[in-house]
Amino acid sequence: DQQVKQNSPSLSVQEGRISILNCDYTNSMFDYFLWYKKYPAEGPTFLISISSIKDKNEDGRFTVFLNKSAKHLSLHIVPSQPGDSAVYFCAASSNTGKLIFGQGTTLQVKP
Amino acid sequence: GAGVSQTPSNKVTEKGKYVELRCDPISGHTALYWYRQSLGQGPEFLIYFQGTGAADDSGLPNDRFFAVRPEGSVSTLKIQRTERGDSAVYLCASRSGTKTGNEQFFGPGTRLTVL
Repeated sequence: DQQVKQNSPSLSVQEGRISILNCDYTNSMFDYFLWYKKYPAEGPTFLISISSIKDKNEDGRFTVFLNKSAKHLSLHIVPSQPGDSAVYFCAASSNTGKLIFGQGTTLQVKP
Repeated sequence: GAGVSQTPSNKVTEKGKYVELRCDPISGHTALYWYRQSLGQGPEFLIYFQGTGAADDSGLPNDRFFAVRPEGSVSTLKIQRTERGDSAVYLCASRSGTKTGNEQFFGPGTRLTVL
C-alpha cells in the first residue's frame, strides 16, 4: 500500500507559467514533507520542505502548500524555467527521518 | 565542499554473485540512509544508521541484504547471492543533526545490474 502518491506521471508547461505538482499521502503521523528534484544519472537534490504544523513554506520561486485535512501537498514553481525540467519527487518523513517517496512527476518546461 | 560519494558508479554482476556498494557521507553527518530505486519508481528506503548502529533496518527486503557502518562514517551495503530482481540504482544519503526534517543529501547512486 503506497503511503505517498503522485498521481500525475508527467506535466508540461510553458516557460514563464506556473507549474503545480501534486502529492497525496495516507499517514497522518508524518512530521515533515519534502520535495526533491532529480536529473538523469544524478541523485535527488533537495528543493524545499514543510513541517506538518505549517501550511505554507516559500523559497524563491518555489512554494509548498500543505492541506492536512485533505492529506495533500503541492509544489508551485513560478515562473517556470526550462532548467526546471526534471523528475520531481515528493517525500514524507517518519520519526526516524526515513523518507517515503512518491513515484515522481516528470516536469517539462517548454521554451 | 565534498558531497556524498558512492562507488562504484556502475556494477554489473552475474546472478548468484556477491556485491559490495560503498557510500562516503558528508563529513560530520551522523545519519546515513540507503535507498533503492527501480525504474519508474521513487526511491525506496532500505536501512538507516545513526552513528555506527543500524537504527532502522525495516526496509531490507530479505536476509541477503546487509549493511555496516563500523566507524560511523563510510557505509557498505552488501548483497549476497544476487538475483535479477536486485537490479536497481542504490542511493545513499546523509543528514546532519537529529532533526528529522533536515534535508538528506543524496549521492549519485550505484547502478547495479544482475545478469
